[in-house]
Amino acid sequence: GNSVTQMEGPVTLSEEAFLTINCTYTATGYPSLFWYVQYPGEGLQLLLKATKADDKGSNKGFEATYRKETTSFHLEKGSVQVSDSAVYFCALLGGTSYGKLTFGQGTILTVHP
Amino acid sequence: SQTIHQWPATLVQPVGSPLSLECTVEGTSNPNLYWYRQAAGRGLQLLFYSVGIGQISSEVPQNLSASRPQDRQFILSSKKLLLSDSGFYLCAWSVRWVNTEAFFGQGTRLTVV
Repeated sequence: GNSVTQMEGPVTLSEEAFLTINCTYTATGYPSLFWYVQYPGEGLQLLLKATKADDKGSNKGFEATYRKETTSFHLEKGSVQVSDSAVYFCALLGGTSYGKLTFGQGTILTVHP
Repeated sequence: SQTIHQWPATLVQPVGSPLSLECTVEGTSNPNLYWYRQAAGRGLQLLFYSVGIGQISSEVPQNLSASRPQDRQFILSSKKLLLSDSGFYLCAWSVRWVNTEAFFGQGTRLTVV
């Protein structure tokens, strides 16, 4: 079945540092891939998405590229801010498991001034 | 526009009591619907998902059940709560037949005492 493996955290960075959070997946067929963000005490918000191989999703300075050859969807940001402190989730929808939305375990990011 | 309503926002229940959490979606038809639980402040566990009325997939055998009495209504229930049922419960929906993003409710914080 589908699965998502996400980089263990927590990740602690200084403001303006470069961020990478690794995400790899297992699925058959052609799933869509997502990054969600959860701020303290809130629900999940979509950060970016990619629906086919080689697509690049981007939003708020974050980017991730759908790499089918390496089954990866790593999240990157060139210069993080304190306000980026949150929990980040990689997720996969579909493939041969239609309708099933599977999440990675989440990565806690803390950015210090 | 589409909206998702989830209630209550917080709930404190004694061990052995029943549970009913309700989620409704407005502004769309035939959505895929999901229930997740987030324990220990981070990981998202898929509990149930539904791709149509009468079609509910259970991901983890446990003390909970789900029903979809109407197209845009998804209910999470328990006959007798356990301490281990405490957590943050999230409902979500996505567009049927399309592998695009899911949208989340604001969540219910359940504490079993």
